[in-house]
Amino acid sequence: AQKITQTQPGMFVQEKEAVTLDCTYDTSDQSYGLFWYKQPSSGEMIFLIYQGSYDEQNATEGRYSLNFQKARKSANLVISASQLGDSAMYFCAMREGAANAGKSTFGDGTTLTVKP
Amino acid sequence: NAGVTQTPKFQVLKTGQSMTLQCAQDMNHEYMSWYRQDPGMGLRLIHYSVGAGITDQGEVPNGYNVSRSTTEDFPLRLLSAAPSQTSVYFCASSSGTGRSKAGQPQHFGDGTRLSIL
Repeated sequence: AQKITQTQPGMFVQEKEAVTLDCTYDTSDQSYGLFWYKQPSSGEMIFLIYQGSYDEQNATEGRYSLNFQKARKSANLVISASQLGDSAMYFCAMREGAANAGKSTFGDGTTLTVKP
Repeated sequence: NAGVTQTPKFQVLKTGQSMTLQCAQDMNHEYMSWYRQDPGMGLRLIHYSVGAGITDQGEVPNGYNVSRSTTEDFPLRLLSAAPSQTSVYFCASSSGTGRSKAGQPQHFGDGTRLSIL
């Protein structure tokens, strides 16, 4: 079974609107971390936001927030006030436990296009 | 402030050739990893290291070797290149310190685009 599932291959959003990118995960570990990365067309991987399994509050970083629903095993990324520069591929990733700190499992990504 | 440096940025090989992709980080990070990204897909882990002298296999290790003789460097060797290894390769590092080891984000290099004919 896939550990990280991103069900939206492509998404469109109007500039200045909010958009939610979905991510569900599968793990039996109690301690894990969830990450979102952005990959623009130039190809580099940019870290956006992190949510720990024991964190009681949803993570926020500027215009990015993470809607973490532990019971549903979902960690959706919310981008508020979309900008043209947000057009990119977005990846959800998981790291299971401190023993696996060097290993991340990635989803297949969602391509976000922001329309002017 | 270099971060993670990968060389070369582009490479074309013939089937059967060998080569080494270089990765260096200047952040004193314990953990280093190699991933490959095929078109339209996410990253898949090839090999990783939790410190100098310690390496382990990831999801797709066949055809690749790694070693970690220093904290800074983590080269990836293709033993006998095959067309199926055409991909973009990313090296990443992360810190092993802090409140939660699992919570440290990975810092990525800019990638090596490898084509094998």
